[in-house]
Amino acid sequence: EADIYQTPRYLVIGTGKKITLECSQTMGHDKMYWYQQDPGMELHLIHYSYGVNSTEKGDLSSESTVSRIRTEHFPLTLESARPSHTSQYLCASSDPVPTETQYFGPGTRLLVL
Amino acid sequence: EDQVTQSPEALRLQEGESSSLNCSYTVSGLRGLFWYRQDPGKGPEFLFTLYSAGEEKEKERLKATLTKKESFLHITAPKPEDSATYLCAVQAPQGGSEKLVFGKGTKLTVNP
Repeated sequence: EADIYQTPRYLVIGTGKKITLECSQTMGHDKMYWYQQDPGMELHLIHYSYGVNSTEKGDLSSESTVSRIRTEHFPLTLESARPSHTSQYLCASSDPVPTETQYFGPGTRLLVL
Repeated sequence: EDQVTQSPEALRLQEGESSSLNCSYTVSGLRGLFWYRQDPGKGPEFLFTLYSAGEEKEKERLKATLTKKESFLHITAPKPEDSATYLCAVQAPQGGSEKLVFGKGTKLTVNP
């Protein structure tokens, strides 16, 4: 059973505001990921981390930033939210090799007005 | 470029009517193929991982199989609670990052 948490679950915010989406996991996983998913579309990787102080950009260009100061915590920040940022954001962490199964949190649905 | 195509996009079944979902993939050096279930407004829930052609895995009414070019998710005698979007993803190392490439999913509706 995966234990990965995201807050808030839903967020409605005005243009220009700074927001931080929280993600935490209690499994001690080193690898963590952020995906973006629009309705009816595939998940796109926007950030990932292999461990503390390690962060990389994913395939989909994103104006968001991430940090990894603690193993269990991988927050995503938007400095100035825009309507184009409206989407669902999913956080995941993965088992170590060889399985590397990714487990997902419940997601944060973001609406920027 | 790694690609994953799922078909059909949507599938409606009557309760008890068995069927299969398809996941076709092109990837260099497949490390694993993953099946997830996603309910509306929730994150994907892990179902299976397949690593090599010929491998099969089962869980309740679901059975996943893998060939060199595609994977099938067979649903036997489905129930309404099996209604969800089923996602397929492949894992291939690119530049050292073992990332997942997802398909768009098949939305399954099982009517009572």
